[in-house]
Amino acid sequence: EFVLTQSPGTLSLSPGERATLSCRASQSVSSSSLVWYQQIPGQAPRLLIYGASSRATGIPDRFSGSGSGTDFTLTISRLEPEDSAVYYCQNFGGSPGFTFGQGTKLEIK
Amino acid sequence: QGQLVESGGGVVRPGTSLRLSCAASGFSFSSFAMHWVRQAPGKGLEWVARISYDGSGKYYADSVKGRVTISRDNSKNTLFLQMNSLRVEDTAVYYCTRDYNDGSGRFDYWGQGTLVTVSS
Repeated sequence: EFVLTQSPGTLSLSPGERATLSCRASQSVSSSSLVWYQQIPGQAPRLLIYGASSRATGIPDRFSGSGSGTDFTLTISRLEPEDSAVYYCQNFGGSPGFTFGQGTKLEIK
Repeated sequence: QGQLVESGGGVVRPGTSLRLSCAASGFSFSSFAMHWVRQAPGKGLEWVARISYDGSGKYYADSVKGRVTISRDNSKNTLFLQMNSLRVEDTAVYYCTRDYNDGSGRFDYWGQGTLVTVSS
């Protein structure tokens, strides 16, 4: 079974700092199918990054994605209070077709 | 700007059925594959089902296969999820999402979700 493992589970940082979130795949995946979402409490998820490194429409350049093969990273620079959310990675392909990571909770102190 | 609005959630007993709907607007609904994604209370996201733009291709997560049917009515810009033999573990917020359709598997539009609670 294909699995995406995100780390850390929770990240607590201060405004202005940089956050680095990891997503590791149980087998190599195409970068073109690696996606990141942000979910603010009480809201639906929002598309952030697709193709591992392309920002979705309206996403500020403080958000960036990188990686290949089995290791992918979401970096959020110059953290702002509104970045407090849970971040999910997602892959398309393999079984069951669409897989989400378990999420990383980012807290802004 | 596209919009998705789910409806049909509620509190039901185990073993019963429920049909969710998702009304789409602001984009050419019939041109896009659509999905249902769910989120159990306090848990992460779980993909449930996908339907191709014309309804000819349907795919399901193993956790719901055989109990759930995804369908669409392109004349009414509406997506459906028929859920049968509901279990307590089906309790979740169900989101309707649009597949951007470029092979990236990205979901660019999400509804606000509808809560399904399965409880005796």
